[in-house]
Formats: sequence, C-alpha cells, structure tokens
Amino acid sequence: GQQVMQIPQYQHVQEGEDFTTYCNSSTTLSNIQWYKQRPGGHPVFLIQLVKSGEVKKQKRLTFQFGEAKKNSSLHITATQTTDVGTYFCAGRGGWTPLVFGKGTRLSVIA
Amino acid sequence: DGGITQSPKYLFRKEGQNVTLSCEQNLNHDAMYWYRQDPGQGLRLIYYSQIVNDFQKGDIAEGYSVSREKKESFPLTVTSAQKNPTAFYLCASSMSRGGVDEQFFGPGTRLTVL
Repeated sequence: GQQVMQIPQYQHVQEGEDFTTYCNSSTTLSNIQWYKQRPGGHPVFLIQLVKSGEVKKQKRLTFQFGEAKKNSSLHITATQTTDVGTYFCAGRGGWTPLVFGKGTRLSVIA
Repeated sequence: DGGITQSPKYLFRKEGQNVTLSCEQNLNHDAMYWYRQDPGQGLRLIYYSQIVNDFQKGDIAEGYSVSREKKESFPLTVTSAQKNPTAFYLCASSMSRGGVDEQFFGPGTRLTVL
C-alpha cells in the first residue's frame, strides 16, 4: 500500500535557525497536506498542495510539492519558540484516504 | 462554537473489557475518521466513514469496531481482541469544499488499559 516517509524524526535548533522537514511517497500523490501538532495537543491543518511544483508561503513557512508529485517539504525560516511541535505530512493518492507520515518533532532552544 | 468533541480526555480500563470512545461533530461534515497515535508512529487510520450507515476499515482495524448511525456521531469501540489498546485516539472529520478537504481533529482520548 501507499507509504509516506518523513525525515528527520527529530530536529533540535537554536532559536533563529532555519528548519526543514521532508516527505516522500512511494506513489504519485493527488495532493499533500501538512499538519502541526503542539505538545499535548491535536493536529491542526496548515496547508494543502495540489499542483506539480507548487510553492506556497505562510509568513515564515514555505511549502513545496515536487515536480513528480511524490515528495514535499516544509521550511521554516528563523524559527521561534512558538514553532515547537510535531509537523506531519499526509498524502492522498486518488480517492484513497490520507496517509500520514510519522512526523518530525521540532524543538527550539531559546 | 463548531467543532469536534471527544470524551473523556483520559480513560482507564481493565484488560479484557470493551470500551467505547465517543466522537461528536457539529460541523455538518460528511466524512469522519478514527486514528491511533503511538509515540514515534504518527497517525494510523483505524476506520473511516464517508456517509451515514457506511464505513470502511483503515490500516489497523483489527480489534476495533465502529458505527455511523448519525451524521454527527462516530463512536469507536476498542474490543478485548485488540492486543495493545493503550494509545492516544484521535477523531477527525472533513468535508470537501473548493477542493480542500482538510481534516479537523478533536482533542483526543488517551486510553490506558491496566
């Protein structure tokens, strides 16, 4: 079945440093979504990417969808302590349910 | 306020007992989902329902059962057949609008089986 791999599993950064998490699918995706889960909380939707090569920005967050629609990345510029949490990608192939990656847990040291 | 509610937040049960987790939404969403979250494992799909009176197994359905008798409600029963039921359970719902079918999650129920 469809698999979504996400790396790294953990990332520790100094406040102000950049952060990137990568997502790779075993199959071509119709769309990919990103979620953030704060410690002790539940996942919250960030964005959905649909088009090949798509790039979207939300303030300091930049999301990319690969040309082959099999990989994606989330880049955070100049991390802040409010960025702490686990970031999940979730991909969908056609009409199948979303498949979540295992997430990247981000720690920010002030 | 619109949203998804799950209760209780923490639940303790003895081994061998069935337990039902509630999930209610007032977002008028058609689709509802149950996920299990274990440390380092991400979210794994247990069951999902795209319409009332219909549901499908996800990747880890063994030892679980669901019902969808009302649009607003999607309870999950963790049966005694589930070998390792201690986990964080998340319910979610979604409705396609303009092509974006983001999932809205409830606060979760942390189940501990003693």
